[in-house]
Amino acid sequence: QSALTQPRSVSGSPGQSVTISCTGTSSDVGGYNYVSWYQQHPGKAPKLMIYDVSKRPSGVPDRFSGSKSGNTASLTISGLQAEDEADYYCCSYAGSYTFWVFGGGTKLTVL
Amino acid sequence: QVQLQESGPGLVKPSETLSLTCTVSGGSVSSGSYYWSWIRQPPGKGLEWIGYIYYSGSTNYNPSLKSRVTISVDTSKNQFSLKLSSVTAADTAVYYCARDRWPPQGFGWGQGTLVTVSS
Repeated sequence: QSALTQPRSVSGSPGQSVTISCTGTSSDVGGYNYVSWYQQHPGKAPKLMIYDVSKRPSGVPDRFSGSKSGNTASLTISGLQAEDEADYYCCSYAGSYTFWVFGGGTKLTVL
Repeated sequence: QVQLQESGPGLVKPSETLSLTCTVSGGSVSSGSYYWSWIRQPPGKGLEWIGYIYYSGSTNYNPSLKSRVTISVDTSKNQFSLKLSSVTAADTAVYYCARDRWPPQGFGWGQGTLVTVSS
């Protein structure tokens, strides 16, 4: 069982927006602004999409955005495209003992 | 651009020790800016952080694996390594090496290597 809770799956049509939630506790998501999101296509390594809750690395489209409220972080993908179909994982800093915890992953289907 | 490449046996017998190496190119493991991690993903499942090492040799491990994990660094070879002892089938996974900074800026990943635990 993963430390952070994500929905197993979400879906949307091309051009629509979807939001993936990531719920933790005050010891991880709620306690630090160190939440990151990763996109993983089948058979590939994860790719960083968002770090520090809402920052985008260079090269990541601005269709991807992140936010946080309390113990829940969210990844929003607007203007869905076929290539966005993938698994998405959240990750949070959880203090100097546990350090990093991940969510169980969310499968995004573009209809 | 820094690249990470995992290497090691793809098959390990139960109760033995899993050993993997990550070779860093385009950058240096001796850089004081980065932490070097191992992360794994069982087939069809989510990601699990195993631990990290700093170039100085200081380490931090996932409490759930701490008793079986050792991460080391070889600055002369620009590599860092993972040893996981007393493996079982539950340790079958794709193992990734990755790097991050402090304050964090997200992980940069190697391509991953599948390790199967089976007799």
